[in-house]
Amino acid sequence: GAVVSQHPSRVICKSGTSVKIECRSLDFQATTMFWYRQFPKQSLMLMATSNEGSKATYEQGVEKDKFLINHASLTLSTLTVTSAHPEDSSFYICSARGWGGGRAGELFFGEGSRLTVL
Amino acid sequence: SQQGEEDPQALSIQEGENATMNCSYKTSINNLQWYRQNSGRGLVHLILIRSNEREKHSGRLRVTLDTSKKSSSLLITASRAADTASYFCATDASGNEKLTFGTGTRLTIIP
Repeated sequence: GAVVSQHPSRVICKSGTSVKIECRSLDFQATTMFWYRQFPKQSLMLMATSNEGSKATYEQGVEKDKFLINHASLTLSTLTVTSAHPEDSSFYICSARGWGGGRAGELFFGEGSRLTVL
Repeated sequence: SQQGEEDPQALSIQEGENATMNCSYKTSINNLQWYRQNSGRGLVHLILIRSNEREKHSGRLRVTLDTSKKSSSLLITASRAADTASYFCATDASGNEKLTFGTGTRLTIIP
């Protein structure tokens, strides 16, 4: 079964609203999670590295005030797209690196969240 | 951009044939990984090859790595309809799982 869960899998929102996407490791702890975005028929682009208990590290060109990342626990990271616009419509995918226990060092991807901004 | 390039961008073959995809990258790496993605879904990890390895096998998959040419190839033997998907290579420069993905190859297996 899936070891990294993303929720929601699909979301449609109006322009100007904020949307929160959750990435949860189900049976392991993850001190580090990564957020990617993927446009249709294109590759994944790393947006940011989310570290438990500290600020996220954003890739060049990614607006930190636009894409708020919170990694409040060892099993949950959230990505909030603030004041969403149609150009933010994309497929957002997270990955989590296992820490300690049987999943240590392994990397798992979520199933992705498709955001459509009208 | 540090993104790698994959070729071909799209590949259609008959079921039972072998499929070969190539990946080129730009920086030195700790390891290179291959992933599969079905349409609209997440990524499935296929295989990881470290920088000091040249070839690795897993079932019907064979991966090669040439660090001098900064390139890798993925061979899928005896293809099946269920292999239809997009395939991405991803490089890990530091061993910290921060991946840089290639542009991907869309593979279609014709029954």
